[in-house]
Amino acid sequence: QQQVKQSPQSLIVQKGGIPIINCAYENTAFDYFPWYQQFPGKGPALLIAIRPDVSEKKEGRFTISFNKSAKQFSLHIMDSQPGDSATYFCAASMKNYGQNFVFGPGTRLSVLP
Amino acid sequence: DVKVTQSSRYLVKRTGEKVFLECVQDMDHENMFWYRQDPGLGLRLIYFSYDVKMKEKGDIPEGYSVSREKKERFSLILESASTNQTSMYLCASTHTGTGFRETQYFGPGTRLLVL
Repeated sequence: QQQVKQSPQSLIVQKGGIPIINCAYENTAFDYFPWYQQFPGKGPALLIAIRPDVSEKKEGRFTISFNKSAKQFSLHIMDSQPGDSATYFCAASMKNYGQNFVFGPGTRLSVLP
Repeated sequence: DVKVTQSSRYLVKRTGEKVFLECVQDMDHENMFWYRQDPGLGLRLIYFSYDVKMKEKGDIPEGYSVSREKKERFSLILESASTNQTSMYLCASTHTGTGFRETQYFGPGTRLLVL
């Protein structure tokens, strides 16, 4: 199974809230899980990534939580700001897939002022 | 800074026309990719190339072809455009490094409307 499922499809939070975006996968061969952020009119850009040998990774206000047994990972945005309003994609790749990624369908986040 | 540029931001074509989308990267990356992005479907891989003149089909290659004559340039060709090819097209590139996984760098996208 090459799919990565992502939810919710859209999310609206107030400034300062903590939006959480969830992803799930089936293929246990996946071994790298990046998140990409896309602003309107721009291409996606790498935000943060995690490998399955750790359960959590933080970079600034962004945190990935990883649950290997459940085959799920999630993105948390602490103290969200209107400037975080964007579409977020989770993705996965595996060793024998070259430099290819499988992307989730995306979550459109709106942070209200 | 890595730069991936796409020849057009917006394109309007008629059904049956041949369409060329061009992508250029300036970081000497070996790998280049073409995706299409549709609401609710995310990014779907059309074709990728890991070297000059090499190409591999992605998940949705039907109706598309590609060309990579130079390392920095990867072209997507719609031989006979159809309305169901109306979409946002994204090009990306990445290095084949010795690191664990390499970041994909995306262009700004070309929004194609086929009438």
